[in-house]
Amino acid sequence: DGGITQSPKYLFRKEGQNVTLSCEQNLNHDAMYWYRQDPGQGLRLIYYSQIVNDFQKGDIAEGYSVSREKKESFPLTVTSAQKNPTAFYLCASKWAGTEAFFGQGTRLTVV
Amino acid sequence: GENVEQHPSTLSVQEGDSAVIKCTYSDSASNYFPWYKQELGKGPQLIIDIRSNVGEKKDQRIAVTLNKTAKHFSLHITETQPEDSAVYFCAAISNNAGNMLTFGGGTRLMVKP
Repeated sequence: DGGITQSPKYLFRKEGQNVTLSCEQNLNHDAMYWYRQDPGQGLRLIYYSQIVNDFQKGDIAEGYSVSREKKESFPLTVTSAQKNPTAFYLCASKWAGTEAFFGQGTRLTVV
Repeated sequence: GENVEQHPSTLSVQEGDSAVIKCTYSDSASNYFPWYKQELGKGPQLIIDIRSNVGEKKDQRIAVTLNKTAKHFSLHITETQPEDSAVYFCAAISNNAGNMLTFGGGTRLMVKP
């Protein structure tokens, strides 16, 4: 089955800890994206990558980091510098000029 | 860059009534407009899309219209059902913006039985 997979579905982070959210796609899409969604809010772009080994900051990149070493994978690290990381994180991928396909999301909670 | 505005932010309708959600965009180079439905705790799913060379597209109870001159597009859901309750997002892709997808702020649709 082709698709985009995020893991884990739920993640708990202690204060001052870095955590990494996984995003894998087998759709052969060039572009991948990370969004943050707070309760009752829209989608805010964290980082995006349009090609392997290249990525760009989105609107709210502070406290986050990414890598794009393989076309299929675009992991997001939430660092200790992100002071309010509790949110729902969505990964997406697409070809140029077409719709984005979303994963099922990771809910991150600070404990 | 592209800016997409979506209205209303919340919409409550009675089951069987129609629902209309409207979006405006700023970049005249935008040429692709998808609509997504997001159910609670899940990722958004594409429900319908339209390209700039088409004025209207229909899929069963869902239709999308596009007015390029006015730079606005709308989602129409007829004969609403409780399972239509969700958050809906419009989006636009512009060649000027490196094919980035710009989302509207979302509309929470509630269909009352």
